[in-house]
Amino acid sequence: QSALTQPRSVSGSPGQSVTISCTGTSSDVGAYNYISWYQQLPGKAPKLMTYDVTRRPSGVPDRFSGSKSGNTASLTISGLQAEDEADYYCCSYAGSFTWVFGGGTKVTVL
Amino acid sequence: EVQLVDSGGGLVQPGGSLRLSCAASGLIFNNHFMSWVRQAPGKGLEWVSSIDFNGDNTYYADSVKGRFTVSRDNSKNTLYLQMNSLRAEDTAVYYCTKMGAYACDYWGQGTVVAVSS
Repeated sequence: QSALTQPRSVSGSPGQSVTISCTGTSSDVGAYNYISWYQQLPGKAPKLMTYDVTRRPSGVPDRFSGSKSGNTASLTISGLQAEDEADYYCCSYAGSFTWVFGGGTKVTVL
Repeated sequence: EVQLVDSGGGLVQPGGSLRLSCAASGLIFNNHFMSWVRQAPGKGLEWVSSIDFNGDNTYYADSVKGRFTVSRDNSKNTLYLQMNSLRAEDTAVYYCTKMGAYACDYWGQGTVVAVSS
């Protein structure tokens, strides 16, 4: 149950795209298409942004998109906006009804 | 609208116990897996435990196995986390989450647990 690996921080100017990587193993990220991403604003509970690698819950802008290749998942934020500045966490199903989160990435809008 | 309200946190001494509760509304509670996720101060999220629809099957992170017990009362739409033998490293905000499609689609507001002498 080791945490997934995310970059500590990424940044971009308004309107640009940023991509956050999430690297796991063949036992979690590589084994299942049950990858989810969460946005956490300061002092708030996390919010689900994408699930099942690419799906978005109702109400999440289509600027947020997920993908996966091998043992690495990614979240791309297109057309970056000031309100996107937050911490982002990936999560993978790891089998036997267990889950593992990434260490989190701080997104800064320059 | 789905609402999850976490409660029961507080300050406890090492080795002590605490029971967290999560009151759910706006959903058919017994149709959903539920989980607890925690976040230590300044740290990332950590999955703690999950429970199936009727409470027959429970699952735990290695870090809490044997010390924490998850349960649910579907007649009260409430999820619980009994925490025993608490350690300093259990200090965190604990969130109740509803599981949908192998993801945490709804979250409580969190309840703070502080383990310190």
